[in-house]
Amino acid sequence: NAGVTQTPKFQVLKTGQSMTLQCAQDMNHNSMYWYRQDPGMGLRLIYYSASEGTTDKGEVPNGYNVSRLNKREFSLRLESAAPSQTSVYFCASSATPTGGTEAFFGQGTRLTVV
Amino acid sequence: QKEVEQNSGPLSVPEGAIASLNCTYSDRGSQSFFWYRQYSGKSPELIMSIYSNGDKEDGRFTAQLNKASQYVSLLIRDSQPSDSATYLCAVHTGGFKTIFGAGTRLFVKA
Repeated sequence: NAGVTQTPKFQVLKTGQSMTLQCAQDMNHNSMYWYRQDPGMGLRLIYYSASEGTTDKGEVPNGYNVSRLNKREFSLRLESAAPSQTSVYFCASSATPTGGTEAFFGQGTRLTVV
Repeated sequence: QKEVEQNSGPLSVPEGAIASLNCTYSDRGSQSFFWYRQYSGKSPELIMSIYSNGDKEDGRFTAQLNKASQYVSLLIRDSQPSDSATYLCAVHTGGFKTIFGAGTRLFVKA
């Protein structure tokens, strides 16, 4: 079982460059999420998608855009990377759209912006 | 005040002891509570969920919830070195809002 798959696992960007983080899940989940994790701050929600065709802002959406390509795939784009976006990014999915059920996480992307 | 607070640790316990991890939250309307384990460099994985007041046991793990005190805890009995990880408390406050604590690092000494 692949579960939630993210690519790439590591990335170094220069300030101002753009990139897209890819995420796919094979559990037939409706809801997908992008989080960032910084030391001492826990996981913070960037964007979420309750179902195919919908996306909404989370706690820290500035500087990011997302696309729910289909039920399986949810991508996160950084249009102009900044050092403050250096973080570990996790994609997650859950079965129900309520947000109150277990989330399954991808393996993470460690992004460094220099 | 943070919405979900955890002691960052590290919490160090000897092998075979009980590890007690605590979490407090600020939103009285919160309904669902989760404990995730995260090994260094890995992704979080769910180990316990609890929705009503009281205790919930699963193997060596017991989650305890006290909504009146806005407190949720995780007990790990017979702690093993393989339990050494960061434990994240997550609180679903409604809609799509699930707030994660910063985590408590647990170290189990062999």
